[in-house]
Amino acid sequence: DTEVTQTPKHLVMGMTNKKSLKCEQHMGHRAMYWYKQKAKKPPELMFVYSYEKLSINESVPSRFSPECPNSSLLNLHLHALQPEDSALYLCASSQAAQQGNYGYTFGSGTRLTVV
Amino acid sequence: TQLLEQSPQFLSIQEGENLTVYCNSSSVFSSLQWYRQEPGEGPVLLVTVVTGGEVKKLKRLTFQFGDARKDSSLHITAAQPGDTGLYLCAGEEAGANNLFFGTGTRLTVIP
Repeated sequence: DTEVTQTPKHLVMGMTNKKSLKCEQHMGHRAMYWYKQKAKKPPELMFVYSYEKLSINESVPSRFSPECPNSSLLNLHLHALQPEDSALYLCASSQAAQQGNYGYTFGSGTRLTVV
Repeated sequence: TQLLEQSPQFLSIQEGENLTVYCNSSSVFSSLQWYRQEPGEGPVLLVTVVTGGEVKKLKRLTFQFGDARKDSSLHITAAQPGDTGLYLCAGEEAGANNLFFGTGTRLTVIP
C-alpha cells in the first residue's frame, strides 16, 4: 500500500459545527503532516507529527486541533471555523527525518467549505 | 517559514518546446523536492535531490540542485500536453520534518 487516504473528500460545515478530517497510511511512515491550500496558492504547512508526537505547529489557530492516535492515523478536529478557513486540506506522510529524505506522499485532500 | 521563489509563475508553451523552471531561496536545504499537482488532487512527488550539484533525469525531465543547496531547476524537453499542471519545488531543512513549498509554476502545454 503506497497511498495516503483522506476522508471525507468534500465537507460543508457551518461556523458552529464540529467536524473531523481523517487521514490514514500503511507505509510505515513515522512522520505525518497537515497542510492547508487556498485556491491558486501552494500548500502551507500547519502541523507535523513525528513518532506520534506533535513536533511542529506553524502558529495555527486553536480552532484547528490535530490528533495522532497511532502511527497510521492522523485526525484534524475542526470547531468554530470561519469562512476564510475554506480550503483544500492535505495530509501527507514521510519517513521521519532521522531515516533520510525520500519525499512525501500526499493524499488527495478534503475540500472544506465553511458557510 | 522558509521562502522559495519560483519563476516563471505562469508558462504557456506549444507542444514540443523546451522549458526551464527555477526555484530560488536564501536558505540552505538538506533536500529539495519537486512535485506536480493536478486540480483537486494532492501534489505528486517527481524527484528528491539531496547533494549540492546533483543532476537527476526522469525521462524528459532533468532536475538540478545548486552547488550551495539553495536553488534548483527543472528542465522539460519536448513538452507534451500531459505535462500540464502546477509544478512545486519544496525544501526541507536538515534534521527536520518541515517541508516548505515554493510559490509554484503553472504550466500549460498547448497541443
